[in-house]
Amino acid sequence: DAGVTQSPTHLIKTRGQHVTLRCSPISGHKSVSWYQQVLGQGPQFIFQYYEKEERGRGNFPDRFSARQFPNYSSELNVNALLLGDSALYLCASSLGMGASEQYFGPGTRLTVT
Amino acid sequence: QQPVQSPQAVILREGEDAVINCSSSKALYSVHWYRQKHGEAPVFLMILLKGGEQKGHEKISASFNEKKQQSSLYLTASQLSYSGTYFCGTLGGGSNYKLTFGKGTLLTVNP
Repeated sequence: DAGVTQSPTHLIKTRGQHVTLRCSPISGHKSVSWYQQVLGQGPQFIFQYYEKEERGRGNFPDRFSARQFPNYSSELNVNALLLGDSALYLCASSLGMGASEQYFGPGTRLTVT
Repeated sequence: QQPVQSPQAVILREGEDAVINCSSSKALYSVHWYRQKHGEAPVFLMILLKGGEQKGHEKISASFNEKKQQSSLYLTASQLSYSGTYFCGTLGGGSNYKLTFGKGTLLTVNP
């Protein structure tokens, strides 16, 4: 079975631009979570979606938004990019929400110049 | 609040044991352990749930002290493949499902 897939792999954007990151969960998984990871730190929780509804939100500004589609894939959108948004963005899927095993995708490396 | 992991780094020789600790200042519902190798995504190892139920990974075990909001990951007879950064993630109660990760423990296993 295919694991979690994310696209694109790498992305370079300019300050002020907008970016959309995509994630496809493992088949049968209904929950998708998004994380931001900067070098030397653990993943920082951004959102969790389950059955197309937002179930958890981390301490990120409103420039960050996400949605989950009927096929359980998800998009993370970031508006008005700042240099500090440069990071590895990880998507994780799980069968349920909360205390469920999460399986991470390879991530999208975003560089903001 | 972010859980605190200790030690920050540890170096072992193949076959030695290691313990990685994770502590939180808030009441926990579950503790999640992951290993991440350089340039790769985190890989799930184990969940420990409030109430003592444990799911696991072969050859690696963990404990969860609910009263102290602490968890420990035990790696016995370490192998070269155990090298990587270990993260604990904690989940509190309530309706906001926010898994919070620590800063990680870098484990290096040498031949």
